[in-house]
Amino acid sequence: DTGVSQNPRHKITKRGQNVTFRCDPISEHNRLYWYRQTLGQGPEFLTYFQNEAQLEKSRLLSDRFSAERPKGSFSTLEIQRTEQGDSAMYLCATCPTGKDEQYFGPGTRLTVT
Amino acid sequence: DAKTTQPTSMDCAEGRAANLPCNHSTISGNEYVYWYRQIHSQGPQYIIHGLKNNETNEMASLIITEDRKSSTLILPHATLRDTAVYYCIVRLIQGAQKLVFGQGTRLTINP
Repeated sequence: DTGVSQNPRHKITKRGQNVTFRCDPISEHNRLYWYRQTLGQGPEFLTYFQNEAQLEKSRLLSDRFSAERPKGSFSTLEIQRTEQGDSAMYLCATCPTGKDEQYFGPGTRLTVT
Repeated sequence: DAKTTQPTSMDCAEGRAANLPCNHSTISGNEYVYWYRQIHSQGPQYIIHGLKNNETNEMASLIITEDRKSSTLILPHATLRDTAVYYCIVRLIQGAQKLVFGQGTRLTINP
């Protein structure tokens, strides 16, 4: 257990529904990342926050995806109008100031039926 | 970020040293070598990183060749719990903060 928590751990939804995932970082970790991992592949970067500012977004993050980190603490990742191709593990990672090691949460596994 | 090349899979006997190679022939002078691993159904776990000197911590040792074009992660006494996918990642010292994962090496520790 790295101290990064993600909820829910599993989510099954029907195509077209909206879903929201939450990541609670290790206290005082100012950097927060979201990644997506499909079966058999390595994680792919989605977006990055430094405190509350979203500093980088991957082109994978279509307009149906939005991420927030209000007050620089927890973060949410929302997917609107889910598609079957959104089925994946969504991973959150955090990093303390002055360090480069990222600490990953256990992930949220999304299944879109 | 520079790309890395790793073997798709490796096997190692429990109790022996596991040596995982990584080729990063296009690495530039301002890029570190990072290693992460991912045990089944868990998020990736940081192992070690280095720039040009060999590094050792409680988990592993990292040997980087003098020309920095390749490296080897060494797990000195592998246990069954070390069975995982191991990712070698090259990452800028400053600037880009994200990790770019490849396919990794699936290491299986056999009893």
